[in-house]
Amino acid sequence: GAGVSQSPSNKVTEKGKDVELRCDPISGHTALYWYRQRLGQGLEFLIYFQGNSAPDKSGLPSDRFSAERTGESVSTLTIQRTQQEDSAVYLCASSLGGELAGLFGPGTRLTVL
Amino acid sequence: DQQVKQNSPSLSVQEGRISILNCDYTNSMFDYFLWYKKYPAEGPTFLISISSIKDKNEDGRFTVFLNKSAKHLSLHIVPSQPGDSAVYFCAAINTGNQFYFGTGTSLTVIP
Repeated sequence: GAGVSQSPSNKVTEKGKDVELRCDPISGHTALYWYRQRLGQGLEFLIYFQGNSAPDKSGLPSDRFSAERTGESVSTLTIQRTQQEDSAVYLCASSLGGELAGLFGPGTRLTVL
Repeated sequence: DQQVKQNSPSLSVQEGRISILNCDYTNSMFDYFLWYKKYPAEGPTFLISISSIKDKNEDGRFTVFLNKSAKHLSLHIVPSQPGDSAVYFCAAINTGNQFYFGTGTSLTVIP
């Protein structure tokens, strides 16, 4: 596809369950970013990949959050033992190099009941 | 189609002086604007935001101005410090909660 894609577009889960969110970046983009936006708040940076390595994980809110990227392509963001405060839109972006903010995907809206 | 534009890819300012970073947008449906700062090899960090119902928001050395009629946004940093050297991105959010980022301006503050 021409843009960044994310799946699922919507996810409703029960508190305590694990969820996995997927991001397919634009082909050839070496940098990949995960963000989240909670209701009424600004965009919150979570993690940044350059290739398959993550030089900056400082934004991950807790050890329940992890992310990986393989083949300089698809990335998955995993949230274990979800809590209600994890409810947010999770956005992925990719760019040619780490100097850009990236082109954004449509996001995954996560609702933890 | 770039809906948010930062036409200056780079800016150099002397320490202690004012840095003015500019941003233009095309979509009048944007209702929230943000500025982010990014250091090399790090993710962007949120700096300051402004709602479309306001024309100014101030936080310490950082002030964001919004001119809705001109569809123009600016970030003022006073006084500029060497640690402010980074890439600055403006972003806009529409009523559908979609984010649009500018391409960034690299600020260098010269000691």
